[in-house]
Amino acid sequence: DGGITQSPKYLFRKEGQNVTLSCEQNLNHDAMYWYRQDPGQGLRLIYYSQIVNDFQKGDIAEGYSVSREKKESFPLTVTSAQKNPTAFYLCASSWGHGGYTFGSGTRLTVV
Amino acid sequence: QQQVKQSPQSLIVQKGGISIINCAYENTAFDYFPWYQQFPGKGPALLIAIRPDVSEKKEGRFTISFNKSAKQFSLHIMDSQPGDSATYFCAAMKSQGAQKLVFGQGTRLTINP
Repeated sequence: DGGITQSPKYLFRKEGQNVTLSCEQNLNHDAMYWYRQDPGQGLRLIYYSQIVNDFQKGDIAEGYSVSREKKESFPLTVTSAQKNPTAFYLCASSWGHGGYTFGSGTRLTVV
Repeated sequence: QQQVKQSPQSLIVQKGGISIINCAYENTAFDYFPWYQQFPGKGPALLIAIRPDVSEKKEGRFTISFNKSAKQFSLHIMDSQPGDSATYFCAAMKSQGAQKLVFGQGTRLTINP
């Protein structure tokens, strides 16, 4: 089955800690994206990558970092600089022409 | 220029009724307008999409109406069913260059049985 796998489903972060969210796709899509979802605010773009070894900041990149060493993988690190990280994080990939496929998300909570 | 505004925030419709969700955009360079459906704890799934060369697109009970001059588009769900209860997002994108979807704020739809 082709799709996007996000892990873990739930993640808890202590104050001052960095955490990494995994996103893997087997759809052979070139482009991958990370969105953050908060209640009542829709989805906001954190980072995106159109090709391997290249990525661009989205609208809310502060406090986050990414890498794109392989076409299949686009991990997101939430750093201690992100002051309000509690949210639902969604990874997506696209074959172009607007066809986004989303993963099932990771819910991150600060404890 | 990048905003997509969606209304209403929440909507309650009786089973069998018509659900209507509206979106407005500002950037005239947008040329792809999808609607996504999201169930709790899941990622959004593409429901239906339209490009500005047509004014309406229908897939089953779901219809997008598009008004290019008003920069507005809407989702109509005919014969709404309890299984349609979900959050719906409109979005917009420029096909040229970096293909980044800009999302509306979402509408929580509840269909009462």
